[in-house]
Amino acid sequence: DTGVSQDPRHKITKRGQNVTFRCDPISEHNRLYWYRQTLGQGPEFLTYFQNEAQLEKSRLLSDRFSAERPKGSFSTLEIQRTEQGDSAMYLCASSLSAGAGETQYFGPGTRLLVL
Amino acid sequence: LAKTTQPISMDSYEGQEVNITCSHNNIATNDYITWYQQFPSQGPRFIIQGYKTKVTNEVASLFIPADRKSSTLSLPRVSLSDTAVYYCLVGAGGYNKLIFGAGTRLAVHP
Repeated sequence: DTGVSQDPRHKITKRGQNVTFRCDPISEHNRLYWYRQTLGQGPEFLTYFQNEAQLEKSRLLSDRFSAERPKGSFSTLEIQRTEQGDSAMYLCASSLSAGAGETQYFGPGTRLLVL
Repeated sequence: LAKTTQPISMDSYEGQEVNITCSHNNIATNDYITWYQQFPSQGPRFIIQGYKTKVTNEVASLFIPADRKSSTLSLPRVSLSDTAVYYCLVGAGGYNKLIFGAGTRLAVHP
């Protein structure tokens, strides 16, 4: 399977703990995005990387959230001191910058439950 | 980025053609129209993308009128497995921070 992969698929943690999620994009895709989705809503943009550079962060990304993409390949999203409001599906998408009509391909997501 | 409006829900029966219309009155000249499908507990899956007129692939067709202020996703002969949420998005080519609405919940009945 050469699609976007995410690990873990599910994570249950206690409030106050730190969690880290990993995303492996489609190989050769230079753009990587993180989104968050809560029940009944569409995904919301969190942050975006082009190669290893983080070029945009949403206001949804509080200072407890940090994302990295070392070497422009896989990416990690860390949430420190988790809160119950962080419970959501965290989605990763990747794309190849190709000018007009660029398409993002999503991974299966990591579902986080904070108790 | 242009805002989109689409029906909250639709119902259909197996074997029927389903058309989901999306309004995007403020679409910009360089915006493309993209549709995604999402099943519960899965990431959105790209269905189709277009700029004008008609686009067809093995899954769906996308009809875009000349003024581009709306678009219609057409799913031929739906099956139970087409029950999902369908999102319509518009955005510029190049870097595209996707802005999702609530989508259209399609329920296909036997």
